Amino acid sequence: QQQVKQSPQSLIVQKGGISIINCAYENTAFDYFPWYQQFPGKGPALLIAIRPDVSEKKEGRFTISFNKSAKQFSLHIMDSQPGDSATYFCAAFRNSGTYKYIFGTGTRLKVLA
Amino acid sequence: DAGVTQSPTHLIKTRGQHVTLRCSPISGHKSVSWYQQVLGQGPQFIFQYYEKEERGRGNFPDRFSARQFPNYSSELNVNALLLGDSALYLCASSLGFSSGGSTDTQYFGPGTRLTVL
Repeated sequence: QQQVKQSPQSLIVQKGGISIINCAYENTAFDYFPWYQQFPGKGPALLIAIRPDVSEKKEGRFTISFNKSAKQFSLHIMDSQPGDSATYFCAAFRNSGTYKYIFGTGTRLKVLA
Repeated sequence: DAGVTQSPTHLIKTRGQHVTLRCSPISGHKSVSWYQQVLGQGPQFIFQYYEKEERGRGNFPDRFSARQFPNYSSELNVNALLLGDSALYLCASSLGFSSGGSTDTQYFGPGTRLTVL
């Protein structure tokens, strides 16, 4: 019940294309869902986040879509650029009871120039 | 403003040794969390400290311990190192439980790369 399943494991997209990464969770107690971007040799950096009372959140080229009933959420990167090439992690957070911050297994995105 | 800082950047140890990793949170943040990230995997939650008290613990053996100091900096200690402890150890700081909401955005440091030979 504590897992966050992320897919695909790797993704190759042409420059200007749309990158889509999906995550699914099991525990309905999670109430905050951030996405992190990580470049080699660096720590993860917060990209965008959403709460379950919102179905979509957009910040620039990055959009989170959230489906509470399906317990799924996804990251869409519009007009993907070579500089977006990185590993992306979804996460789920719960602050009720035991503090929990669970990360997905990551998606390695490569955007071809 | 300075972000989360960690030291050292890299560390090489041999099996059975002990290691101490250090973290300084963002100014004003009272919570520090530690994560282990094995190559090719997502970060795995080890500990969370808030106001010097342990508030969360992941599924790690007792060889792992941590503490938080009055200035909110933190140390992660690992005893009796095993080859499998080789990983990137990440520290993340956040406002913590008093932020007034259920969200707790974490900001990560660059990590300490630990290699156990």
